Order: sequence, then structure tokens, then C-alpha cells
Amino acid sequence: QVTLRESGPALVKSTQTLTLTCTFSGFSLGTYGMRVSWIRQSPGKALEWLAHIDWDDDEFYRSSLKTRLTISKDTSKNRVVLEMTNMDPVDTGRYYCVRVRDMAGTWIFDHWGQGAWVTVSS
Amino acid sequence: QSVVTQSPSASGTPGQRVSISCSGSTFNIGENSVNWYQLFPGAAPRLVIYKNDQRPSGVPDRFSGSKSGTSASLAIFGLQSEDEADYYCASWDDRLHGWIFGSGTKLTVL
Repeated sequence: QVTLRESGPALVKSTQTLTLTCTFSGFSLGTYGMRVSWIRQSPGKALEWLAHIDWDDDEFYRSSLKTRLTISKDTSKNRVVLEMTNMDPVDTGRYYCVRVRDMAGTWIFDHWGQGAWVTVSS
Repeated sequence: QSVVTQSPSASGTPGQRVSISCSGSTFNIGENSVNWYQLFPGAAPRLVIYKNDQRPSGVPDRFSGSKSGTSASLAIFGLQSEDEADYYCASWDDRLHGWIFGSGTKLTVL
């Protein structure tokens, strides 16, 4: 059974750095073809993909946030960490950790965590 | 402003057919597969269609997807009250080198 759980501060201040940890089970990020993404949803807004990291350490970032994001993994501990610098109140929202895998030649977000709510105070 | 647009809302009565559209460009939907996700408040999103028209196991056959050119659609036949949720299309964007989601559609079952 695949599970993902996000953890991190519920409240951060403007300009601070947010660090979120995704702890997962039921799969290994060392397995060929596996990826883990971070996706967020701010109040009243659409889902927004932020970043993902591959089994082979390749990293991909949302172009508009690339300078603020860092994703990393600890395969032995089944963890993925997202850091977002210079937080702003517009970054308030729910941050999801998501497993990504290849299904019939297309990548899908097939298992999602419940999400971690983050409020950014000014 | 989303690169991929959806109508903000859709509605139907139980038993009806409803369609949700997703409009993109040659950089995303035109060149890559479209997946659809269903979101209920307070719950993790759920994949309902992948690779344009494929249904994952466990998703009722009332859900159907299609793609033509730079647009995609999600159709729900025999609408049920439990289908009331937000729906998002998603595709890879070759210009942005990242995933993009549509602007989202709130489906109401009247």
C-alpha cells in the first residue's frame, strides 16, 4: 500500500524559508521510473505543480519559482524534502506530496498525500 | 492566469451527461497526454482519466475522456450526486518544462 505524508510548519513568516518533508511507504524512490512531486493549491486557486525529483536524482522545477525551490531525496529513509525560500503570503496554501509513475507510457500523479497546510504571515 | 483553461463551473441533474472542457496549446495538450483529477474538499485528489481516455481501475465507466488537437474533454454519463467535486486537467508543457494544471471546473449536481 502506497502512502505519503507531508510534515512541516503550519505557519511561517514572510521572507522565511519553508521546509517540507514527505515521508512515504509502499515504494522506493530508488526504483527505476519512480518520481515524487510537490503540488500546491492556494485558496481559491488551481492546483500548481512545483517540482519533482526522479529515481536517478534528476530535478525539475516550475519555471516561475525555480530560483526559490530546492527538492532533494533520501532514498534510504524514503523521504523527499522541499525547500522554498523567501516565503510570501501568496504562498499560503495546501502543499501535497505526490508519487509519480509511468503508466502505459504517460506520467501520472497516482498517489497523493493529504497535504500540509501552510500559512504565511506578513 | 492558467496556461490551460477550463470553464469555471458545470452542472447537471442526476442521470444527465455533463462535459468539462480543457483548452491548451501546441506546447502542452497538443503534444502530450492529458490526465484528469477529481478533488473533494479535505480529501486527496484522485486520478479519474489518464493518457487522454484511459480509466484507472476502480473508476466507474461513467467517466470518459477524449482529446482533439489542443483541447481535451471529460464526460460524465449518468451523473450522480457523489460526482460533485472540482475537476482538473493536467498535461506536460514542453515550453515550460513542467506540469501544468487547468484552471479547474467546479461540478455541481443539482
